Amino acid sequence: KNEVEQSPQNLTAQEGEFITINCSYSVGISALHWLQQHPGGGIVSLFMLSSGKKKHGRLIATINIQEKHSSLHITASHPRDSAVYICAVRSPFTNTGNQFYFGTGTSLTVIP
Amino acid sequence: DVKVTQSSRYLVKRTGEKVFLECVQDMDHENMFWYRQDPGLGLRLIYFSYDVKMKEKGDIPEGYSVSREKKERFSLILESASTNQTSMYLCASRVGGDSGNTIYFGEGSWLTVV
Repeated sequence: KNEVEQSPQNLTAQEGEFITINCSYSVGISALHWLQQHPGGGIVSLFMLSSGKKKHGRLIATINIQEKHSSLHITASHPRDSAVYICAVRSPFTNTGNQFYFGTGTSLTVIP
Repeated sequence: DVKVTQSSRYLVKRTGEKVFLECVQDMDHENMFWYRQDPGLGLRLIYFSYDVKMKEKGDIPEGYSVSREKKERFSLILESASTNQTSMYLCASRVGGDSGNTIYFGEGSWLTVV
């Protein structure tokens, strides 16, 4: 059972296209993260959301708590946006100490 | 900025060898994690530590052990490496308790077992 589902798994876009990555989760959460992982491994946090919408440059993240759904949008995509994007949630309502659940990631390739 | 440092980026080990992966964080975080990441499977939790000398098994602890003797350091140990442990290993940390909504990752350690 996956607590966090992402779609699509793979995405190829032409430079300049508008991109949307979706995330659905099945647990109660205190926060949702969108993470970016470039080839080579390191993971950085793009956004942390608990409600509404956040914007950073060409990136926009939204969350609908009632529907348990979040989207990451990239406007005017660029080859440097090519990376794996991971949705992660923190659920403080579980019985374990872990509390973080991750989607399997969306591999984005932006072609010049 | 929080810094999570993994001591080795790339390792090649032989089957049966004992392998140590070290992780250090500089923000006095209570919680530390070891994950492995494989294509199509995402991040899977191996072990979690919520304080010094305290640990909890994650989803895939078999073949691994951990050590947390000091708050800033969390080590992952492969007692007898096997080829199916070839993977990318990520260490992470966060503040403990209700305020710890953000998790910070290291750069990852690529382990190849031959």
